[in-house]
Amino acid sequence: EDQVTQSPEALRLQEGESSSLNCSYTVSGLRGLFWYRQDPGKGPEFLFTLYSAGEEKEKERLKATLTKKESFLHITAPKPEDSATYLCAVRMNYGGSQGNLIFGKGTKLSV
Amino acid sequence: DTAVSQTPKYLVTQMGNDKSIKCEQNLGHDTMYWYKQDSKKFLKIMFSYNNKELIINETVPNRFSPKSPDKAHLNLHINSLELGDSAVYFCASSQSSGGYFEQYFGPGTRLTVT
Repeated sequence: EDQVTQSPEALRLQEGESSSLNCSYTVSGLRGLFWYRQDPGKGPEFLFTLYSAGEEKEKERLKATLTKKESFLHITAPKPEDSATYLCAVRMNYGGSQGNLIFGKGTKLSV
Repeated sequence: DTAVSQTPKYLVTQMGNDKSIKCEQNLGHDTMYWYKQDSKKFLKIMFSYNNKELIINETVPNRFSPKSPDKAHLNLHINSLELGDSAVYFCASSQSSGGYFEQYFGPGTRLTVT
């Protein structure tokens, strides 16, 4: 069964303390891995898309990387405003043209 | 301008009622989605729809039905509401052409069934 697992479930960091969030996946026919940020009471906000192993994307203090089995979201020198739940999702290629996303359960980051 | 909007923001209703949630996107996307986020914050796809096909997650009860009056709107109708339907429902949209499938989400509708 296709699956996306995120770890840790929750992470508490001191301001300026860098760390990484993990997203591992077991899906066939991967057609992209997506990172989202979700603040309480709001919808997920798109951050990055990664398509192939070795690819990296950066935005401010965040950097996402991808291997054949997992993705990491590296947070460098986090600030309190980085506190949120970070969601990982993978897009499969099965049947329909849309290629729906399968989400992990998220990592709740507190800075 | 809000890219993906939903109404209402909150919906409280009794078991057995029928209700609808509206979604509109002004991004010019050709595909829209409905997701359910349960009390444990797990986000799960319910439907995806463009003008060519509707894909339904097989776990979604047939009391739920999406209706699209046009490309910019995808409404969610729910019949005979049950307590277990209480959740936050998110609408999203994406562009299926061009090889990019980033989905952009609305603010969510918190449905409470009493």
